[in-house]
Amino acid sequence: QVTLRESGPALVKPTQTLTLTCTFSGFSLSTGAMCVSWVRQPPGKALEWLALITWDDDKYYNTSLKTRLTISKDTSKNQVVLTMTNMDPVDTATYYCTRMLRRVGAWESPDYWGQGTQVTVSS
Amino acid sequence: QSVLTQPPSASGTPGQRVTISCSGSSSNIGSNYVYWYQQLPGTAPKLLIYKNNQRGVPDRFSGSKSGTSASLAISGLRSEDEADYYCATWDDSLSGVVFGRGTKLTVL
Repeated sequence: QVTLRESGPALVKPTQTLTLTCTFSGFSLSTGAMCVSWVRQPPGKALEWLALITWDDDKYYNTSLKTRLTISKDTSKNQVVLTMTNMDPVDTATYYCTRMLRRVGAWESPDYWGQGTQVTVSS
Repeated sequence: QSVLTQPPSASGTPGQRVTISCSGSSSNIGSNYVYWYQQLPGTAPKLLIYKNNQRGVPDRFSGSKSGTSASLAISGLRSEDEADYYCATWDDSLSGVVFGRGTKLTVL
């Protein structure tokens, strides 16, 4: 059974750095094809993909946010960490951790999702 | 502006069949799998359709893809189907996942 759980601060101040942790079970990021990605959703708005890390440590970022994002993994702890610098009120959103698969010649999209964590950016 | 285009809203009466479209380009839908998600208010998205037409849920939901467009069909509409629906796929030019802006389905 695949599960993912996001954790991190509920409130951050403008200009601060947000650090979110995804703790997962039911799969290993040391297994081929396995990936973890982050998706966010501002209140009342659409889903926005943020970043992805693969089993072999390749990293991909939303081009619009690339300079602010860093994704990393700790395979031994089954965790993925996302940091976002210079937070702004427009970054207020629910942040989701998801699993994805990257098979030979084909990228897939998120299949399993965490419940999400609400992050508010306010002074 | 979203890379994938969905109608902002759709509606139907109980028992009806409704379809939701998702239009993209050769770098995304045209060359990668399409996924569909249902999002009920206050909850995380739930996978409905994967790899264009594979069901992750009861067979009232079906997906199809042709060229650079895809669609989700819901038959035997029920009140509990009232939700937001999103399409998604990988974009080779952007090297990332792209989502549609979502379609709000209302059951009249």
